Amino acid sequence: EAQVTQNPRYLITVTGKKLTVTCSQNMNHEYMSWYRQDPGLGLRQIYYSMNVEVTDKGDVPEGYKVSRKEKRNFPLILESPSPNQTSLYFCASRGVRTYNSPLHFGNGTRLTVT
Amino acid sequence: KNQVEQSPQSLIILEGKNCTLQCNYTVSPFSNLRWYKQDTGRGPVSLTIMTFSENTKSNGRYTATLDADTKQSSLHITASQLSDSASYICVVSVNQAGTALIFGKGTTLSVSS
Repeated sequence: EAQVTQNPRYLITVTGKKLTVTCSQNMNHEYMSWYRQDPGLGLRQIYYSMNVEVTDKGDVPEGYKVSRKEKRNFPLILESPSPNQTSLYFCASRGVRTYNSPLHFGNGTRLTVT
Repeated sequence: KNQVEQSPQSLIILEGKNCTLQCNYTVSPFSNLRWYKQDTGRGPVSLTIMTFSENTKSNGRYTATLDADTKQSSLHITASQLSDSASYICVVSVNQAGTALIFGKGTTLSVSS
């Protein structure tokens, strides 16, 4: 089954404790991206990657890091989480060779930073 | 500034009724507009895409329209079902590569029996 898998689904951590949210897709998609979704603000892009070893900032990259060492994986790293990073996070992927292909989203990771 | 505005913010309707969700955008250049459905606790799923030359497109009980002149799109849901309860997100793409997306904040639809 074609899917984007995020782990964990729920995460509670404390301020300053480094964490990684994993994202993996099995569709051989070139493009992958991370979003955060907050009430009243909608989805906002954090980082995106056009292909292996190619990443770029989205609209709200501060406090986040990403890496794209393999085509299928695109982890989101919070080096020193803060309470304002409490949010619902989504990873998404899409193929770039098909014109106007949709984003395929994971089922989200709900992060709480205390 | 590129913006996508959706209305209403939330909507409650009875099962079996029709409803229309609105999306207005001030995005330039324009490549396409896509509607996503997001069930509670799940990631968004694409419903339909509208390109510049398309006026109407249907996907089952969902019909999307696009007026490129007025920069408005609508999503009409016919004979609503309880499973239509979700958030509906309008997303406009600035480029064909799909790397520059402007997201609306969504309309939350609740269908009650």
